[in-house]
Parts: sequence; C-alpha cells; structure tokens
Amino acid sequence: EVQLVESGGGLIQPGGSLRLSCAASGFTVSGNYMSWVRQAPGKGLEWVSIIYSGGSTYYADSVKGRFTISRDNSKNTLYLQMNSLRVEDTAVYYCARVVKEVDIENYNYYYMDVWGKGTTVTVPS
Amino acid sequence: QSVLTQPPSASGTPGQRVTISCSGSSSNIGSNTVDWYQHLPGTAPKLLIYRSNQRPSGVPDRFSGSKSGTSASLAISGLQSEDEADYYCAAWDDSLNGWVFGGGTKLTVL
Repeated sequence: EVQLVESGGGLIQPGGSLRLSCAASGFTVSGNYMSWVRQAPGKGLEWVSIIYSGGSTYYADSVKGRFTISRDNSKNTLYLQMNSLRVEDTAVYYCARVVKEVDIENYNYYYMDVWGKGTTVTVPS
Repeated sequence: QSVLTQPPSASGTPGQRVTISCSGSSSNIGSNTVDWYQHLPGTAPKLLIYRSNQRPSGVPDRFSGSKSGTSASLAISGLQSEDEADYYCAAWDDSLNGWVFGGGTKLTVL
C-alpha cells in the first residue's frame, strides 16, 4: 500500500529548529518528486518545498534560507529541516508524492497524488 | 492572502449540483493546469481532479473539473452528505517551481 507518515512535529520556541520526517512505503522517495505543504490554523494550504528525483530543491519565499528539504534513500524517508522558526510557521505540515507527467509536446504537468496525515508544529508567541 | 481566489463557502442540498470557482492570473492558471483537493480536518488531503479535468481512479464521476483562461471550476453533481469538506484549487507556478493554492471553499450539505 502506498503510504506517507509524517513525524517530528512539536512545540518549539521562536528561533529554534526542528526536523520533520516523512516515511514512505509502497514506493521509493528517491524515484519520485516529493513535496511539503502546510496549513496554518484557520488558513488554507500553502506549498512549502519540493525536491526533484534528480535532487534539485525549491522553496516558497516565506521559508527560503530557513528550511531545507532532503531525503535518505536508504530509509526511504523525506525530511524538512526547519531553522530560525517563527510564530507564523505554526501549522500542520503535510508531505506529498508528486507526479510529473510529460505530454507529446514535451509539456510538463505536476500534481500531488498521495498525502500524509500531517504533523503539527507550534511556535508560540 | 492566497494567490488563487475561491469563494470561502458554498452549500447545497442532497442531490443538487454545486460549482466552486477558482480565479488566478496568466502566470499560474493561465499557463498551467489546475488540480483540486478535498480536505477534511485531521485527515490527509485527497486529490480529486488533476490536469484541470482528469479524475484519479476511485474518484466518483460526480466530480468534474474545467478550465478556461485564468479561471477554473469544480462541479459536484448528485451532492451527498459525505461531500461536506474543504475544497482547494492549486496551479503550478513556473517561476516558483511549486504550487499556488486557493484559500479553500468550505462546502456545506444542508
């Protein structure tokens, strides 16, 4: 069964660091694009970061320079290292598998087809 | 404030057809396809529609999507009580190498 399970969330003071994990089963993290998405309390979904199967990484402006996405192929696990945490980083963090499709005109399509249930990060004011 | 614009709420009675709109710009919806996700609090978001009008296997054909220009819409026909959830549109943004989302629409089945 294809599944993603996040862990590592918790209560952390502003300026602190936390590492989230996302354990995958039923497919390989290394062979797929993977992403992190978050939802702050009472707010909508916000894309955070993506790692390509080739290793390239990209970030939302709100976390650039503070968060790092990575993976451990031997553990089939995705990570999100979060440094210099702010109150506005309080959210439920979801990991998701990304599907990349290419059509006959070489146009790329990306969408997230499998999601985890999330892990909660709280940075109190 | 979200990059894509959705109505905050929608409602309908069982059996009715409801539509949820999603408005963007030339840099997101105008350049790429739209995905729709269904989300119940405390659960994993679920992919409902991808590439604007494609349904993953297992998603009922009551759910359909369309896109025109810089806008998209999700239609739900034969509304059922279990459809009560939050619905989000998303579009890939080439300048971000990531997605922009709508603010979400809370669907209530009356």
